[in-house]
Amino acid sequence: GAGVSQSPRYKVAKRGQDVALRCDPISGHVSLFWYQQALGQGPEFLTYFQNEAQLDKSGLPSDRFFAERPEGSVSTLKIQRTQQEDSAVYLCASSSGFNEKLFFGSGTQLSVL
Amino acid sequence: DQQVKQNSPSLSVQEGRISILNCDYTNSMFDYFLWYKKYPAEGPTFLISISSIKDKNEDGRFTVFLNKSAKHLSLHIVPSQPGDSAVYFCAALSNTGNQFYFGTGTSLTVIP
Repeated sequence: GAGVSQSPRYKVAKRGQDVALRCDPISGHVSLFWYQQALGQGPEFLTYFQNEAQLDKSGLPSDRFFAERPEGSVSTLKIQRTQQEDSAVYLCASSSGFNEKLFFGSGTQLSVL
Repeated sequence: DQQVKQNSPSLSVQEGRISILNCDYTNSMFDYFLWYKKYPAEGPTFLISISSIKDKNEDGRFTVFLNKSAKHLSLHIVPSQPGDSAVYFCAALSNTGNQFYFGTGTSLTVIP
């Protein structure tokens, strides 16, 4: 596609509910990142994929967070048993290779009530 | 700990004047720096970058300066235009890693 596409754009979840956020990167981009941005903060790294391999998941805040990219294209970030502190904008970014600039999607704004 | 810092949360500048946004970093292994611009309800968009082998990079109205000894970089916008009003994020990449570290952003308002 022309850009990084994320869905849904907005998600409201009740505390304890599971959510799944989707990212469709730019076609051909091998690198895919997930970032979390809290209100008034900069994006914070969550995890990184190169093709289908998850090379770095050091930023995932707990084992309730899980990301996958099974075919090296679309990625899903899953949050189990959501908590209020999970409320944030979740940004997906892709790049054409290692150490290349990131192209971001518009993000999914998650609100946990 | 915040490895990339933007100490000015906001900045207001008159249209036509220069905007200077500052960024400091602590990790001496950072060797690639980028500036992103973000409008409300949109994702950050790439603006300009600089490698540590340079001390200046220019692209139209935007210039980024890097002072490695001071671990400081700045973005100059001249002349500033109302459409430049946005939040600007500084980001850095280590030569040993794959994650970009972002600052907390500076909200620029250009007054017509």
